[in-house]
Order: sequence, then structure tokens, then C-alpha cells
Amino acid sequence: DQQVKQNSPSLSVQEGRISILNCDYTNSMFDYFLWYKKYPAEGPTFLISISSIKDKNEDGRFTVFLNKSAKHLSLHIVPSQPGDSAVYFCAASAGRGSTLGRLYFGRGTQLTVWP
Amino acid sequence: EAGVVQSPRYKIIEKKQPVAFWCNPISGHNTLYWYLQNLGQGPELLIRYENEEAVDDSQLPKDRFSAERLKGVDSTLKIQPAELGDSAVYLCASSLRQGVQETQYFGPGTRLLVL
Repeated sequence: DQQVKQNSPSLSVQEGRISILNCDYTNSMFDYFLWYKKYPAEGPTFLISISSIKDKNEDGRFTVFLNKSAKHLSLHIVPSQPGDSAVYFCAASAGRGSTLGRLYFGRGTQLTVWP
Repeated sequence: EAGVVQSPRYKIIEKKQPVAFWCNPISGHNTLYWYLQNLGQGPELLIRYENEEAVDDSQLPKDRFSAERLKGVDSTLKIQPAELGDSAVYLCASSLRQGVQETQYFGPGTRLLVL
């Protein structure tokens, strides 16, 4: 059963506008969340993360929002650039238990930013 | 600083043949992970090492898959014999240490095709 879900397989946004990528999770033990970006034929590249003690983390054009009560997080990219076109993976991990350190990934969202 | 190195980048073999993948983690990273990524899916953990000890191998199909991390640095993942369904990307990742809220850094992956 998929514990991390990205329900939108693709998103298309015009350059300069905001991209919003969404992610939902089911496991209440998750307390650390990450976003990775992946270009074709490359491994996932770490983008930004957020701890469950926060509800927002910002790094340049990238902001991640966490809503623990809704078990939902989102990645905002403002302004979007053509170089942001890639597959974005949401991932989560639990800080306790036998699966300590294991990342659970969503299926990814293909973001296309057009000029 | 060099990232996670994996080789080979691509491998084509016939079913029932053995195959091995190699990973060199980021210098100083004690924790090493092997992930499997099928087409259209997110990565899934196969095994996690803390130094030379396999601390989470519950997802590793032990009838045909094996892994080792001698001396707690480089690691090798082996499949013997390979099956058609093993065609996927095998990703290696590393982090500084096992624990809460550790960011994992991924290598480029090895793309395996079993004919």
C-alpha cells in the first residue's frame, strides 16, 4: 500500500508563474519530509526538506508547506523556470521504529515549464 | 566534493545470468542504501547499511539478491540468477549517519535490462 501519494502524474506551467506540487501521506509516524528532483538518466537530487515540527521551509525559489492534520505537503516553485522541468518526488521517513531511516517515495510528478 | 558513484551505468544481460552493481558513497557517510526503481514508480528500499552492518534488509529478496559492504565503505549488490522482472534502475544513496532527519544523497543509478 502506497504510504506516500502524488496524485498528479504531470503538471504544466508557464515560465514565471507558480508551480504547486502536492503530496499526501498516510503514516502518522512520518516526521521528516523531502522533495527530490530527477532529470532523465540521473539519480534523484535533493531539493528541500521539512521537519514535522515546522509548517514551512523556504530556500530561494522553493518553499515546502506541511499540514500535519491533513497529512499533506506541497512544494511551491516561484517563479518557475524552464530548467525546473523534471520529475519531482515527495519522500517521507519516520524517526522511530524498525523502519528508521527508510525513505518512502511517491510515484512522482512530471513538471513541464514552458516559455 | 564527489557525490555517490555507481557503476556500471547501464547493463544488459540475458535472464538467468548473474549481475553485480557497485557503489562508492560520499566520503565520510556511514550509512548506505540500495533502492530499486521501476518505471513510473518511486524508489523502494532494498537494504540499508550502517557502516558494514545491514540494519534493514527486510525488503531484499534474499533468494536471488545479495549485498555486501566490506570495510564499511564501498558496496556491491548482486543478483543471481536475474529474471525478466528485475529490469529496473538500481540506485545507491548515502547519508552521514543513520538517524532521524538525515538527508539521503543519490547516485546516478544503474539501469538494468534483462532479456
